[in-house]
Amino acid sequence: AQTVTQSQPEMSVQEAETVTLSCTYDTSESNYYLFWYKQPPSRQMILVIRQEAYKQQNATENRFSVNFQKAAKSFSLKISDSQLGDTAMYFCAFSPYGQNFVFGPGTRLSVLP
Amino acid sequence: DGGITQSPKYLFRKEGQNVTLSCEQNLNHDAMYWYRQDPGQGLRLIYYSQIVNDFQKGDIAEGYSVSREKKESFPLTVTSAQKNPTAFYLCASSIIGTNTDTQYFGPGTRLTVL
Repeated sequence: AQTVTQSQPEMSVQEAETVTLSCTYDTSESNYYLFWYKQPPSRQMILVIRQEAYKQQNATENRFSVNFQKAAKSFSLKISDSQLGDTAMYFCAFSPYGQNFVFGPGTRLSVLP
Repeated sequence: DGGITQSPKYLFRKEGQNVTLSCEQNLNHDAMYWYRQDPGQGLRLIYYSQIVNDFQKGDIAEGYSVSREKKESFPLTVTSAQKNPTAFYLCASSIIGTNTDTQYFGPGTRLTVL
């Protein structure tokens, strides 16, 4: 079975600091996508960043970047210059080509003023 | 504005009743999905549909039913056979046939069984 693990149930960071959320996954597939979604208190799921497994270059989206280590099956999310609006649940998700998503259990991030 | 709408935002049901959750999208996406979210857990797939008049069971389909009569609509019925229906339900959609595979989500419906 394909699984996604997020080993940090809760994290906190001071405003303007940098924080890294970890994600590992287990699969025998070679072609897949990886995603980070954010769920703020409104509970709307928002796409943060997406990575295609065949691309070696790590994806970046403004203050959000990933460290994708395919051999280690690791996909961590780095948030730079943390803002109060970054407070949310963050879900890592994995999707082999043409197959359904598998979501991790989430990490609750609190940005402290 | 393009997007996914879900209604109602909050729904209360008495035990033994069926209820239907609405999901509509105007993104012209082919595929639509229903997920259930419980505290401390990730999203679990209930049903999905890649084309009108066709749908597939996900990981936790028991006690749920769906229909896909129109491309833009994918309602979910929570039946009385669902043993523990209190949860947050999310609908999503995506394009088929491209290499993006990104799912976009609606705002969700909170169902509470009284």
